Amino acid sequence: DIQMTQSPSSLSASVGDRVTITCQASEDISNYLSWYQQKPGKAPKLLIYDASKLDSGVPSRFSGSGSGTDFTFNIGSLQPEDIATYFCQQYDNLPYTFGQGTKLEIK
Amino acid sequence: QVQLVESGGTVVQPGRSLRLSCAASGFTFSRYGMHWVRQAPDKGLEWVAVISFDGNNKNYRDSVKGRFTISRDNSRTTLYLQMNSLRAEDTAVYYCAREGNYDSTGIPVDWGQGTLVTVSS
Repeated sequence: DIQMTQSPSSLSASVGDRVTITCQASEDISNYLSWYQQKPGKAPKLLIYDASKLDSGVPSRFSGSGSGTDFTFNIGSLQPEDIATYFCQQYDNLPYTFGQGTKLEIK
Repeated sequence: QVQLVESGGTVVQPGRSLRLSCAASGFTFSRYGMHWVRQAPDKGLEWVAVISFDGNNKNYRDSVKGRFTISRDNSRTTLYLQMNSLRAEDTAVYYCAREGNYDSTGIPVDWGQGTLVTVSS
């Protein structure tokens, strides 16, 4: 199975800050990577697919980049409603696998 | 709009069986692949299984192969997960999710609210 390693596991930032989360795959997954946002008690919400494509209706402050094994997720200017846990997921090979998550808190 | 409503979660003893359902509406169900993804309490997401739009192709994670069966009834727009020989480590919220309408496959896009399965004696 492809292992997805996210860092950091938790992050505290201020409103307006730029936030960066990284995800590393244990092998080359091309650009078959997505990012999800999950708020407490809610289902995950797709933000980005194919490493850098924004899903419909997702604010432009969210962005993603990378290919191969190293990927980055950014929030350009952190908003209070962005408080959540973020997960990466690879869909290059079965079984599809997720990163362990990054819990984002407001400082 | 897309709506996915899971049901069937409950407390069940180890070794017993349970069937989850996911009622879909707001889209043409028979055109989309569907996933089950689970999340143990306060843990991360774990992909469980996927079924093609027509039900002809199914894939599972190794830990559930031979115990879980994903299926669908396109006439009833419902997805199922038959879970047999349940173990404590199967305890989780189970989400059904619809594939995206993208060139790439394997992307759960729209998710239900989840149903909790607790395996405990």
